[in-house]
Amino acid sequence: GAGVSQSPSNKVTEKGKDVELRCDPISGHTALYWYRQSLGQGLEFLIYFQGNSAPDKSGLPSDRFSAERTGGSVSTLTIQRTQQEDSAVYLCASGQPTYEQYFGPGTRLTVT
Amino acid sequence: GENVEQHPSTLSVQEGDSAVIKCTYSDSASNYFPWYKQELGKRPQLIIDIRSNVGEKKDQRIAVTLNKTAKHFSLHITETQPEDSAVYFCAADYSNYQLIWGAGTKLIIKP
Repeated sequence: GAGVSQSPSNKVTEKGKDVELRCDPISGHTALYWYRQSLGQGLEFLIYFQGNSAPDKSGLPSDRFSAERTGGSVSTLTIQRTQQEDSAVYLCASGQPTYEQYFGPGTRLTVT
Repeated sequence: GENVEQHPSTLSVQEGDSAVIKCTYSDSASNYFPWYKQELGKRPQLIIDIRSNVGEKKDQRIAVTLNKTAKHFSLHITETQPEDSAVYFCAADYSNYQLIWGAGTKLIIKP
């Protein structure tokens, strides 16, 4: 079946612009996670959605970052007024709590 | 707060030898401990996991051991091959069914 998909695969934007990153999880997965990974670094947790519960936003690095998940499926991560330090690969994963997380291919964001 | 420490950060082994990566966790309530492999330029993928009611689990050349008393778990790879070269991440679950991730171990297999 189809895995987790993300779009765009690459995004180059100018400093100060807003960007939206999209994640399509595997159908039926109640949990959805966003991570950020800088080059050669580990997985930095950003936000977690579980079913209809309020999302866990504890990992968002600043109020420029926000995310939503519509209808318990597709999620978008929005970064406002992008900064150069936002450049990274943004990974989305879906799954069931305490079971395997299936990762998407990621969106590589470059802020110039 | 809860954390997971992973060692070593880089591990270089001769092809055919064994590799061991160790993680310690802080939350005694953690019950689920997965290991993910991330090849260069690719997404992380689960390779093996273990739950707290089991002390060891094997899958061909890989195995994971868990010591709940000491709060540490380890990944063992035997007869290493070039395709084992990757970054390996350990993780542990905590209160709201999230995962706390280790910082990763870069495994290099020398021919």
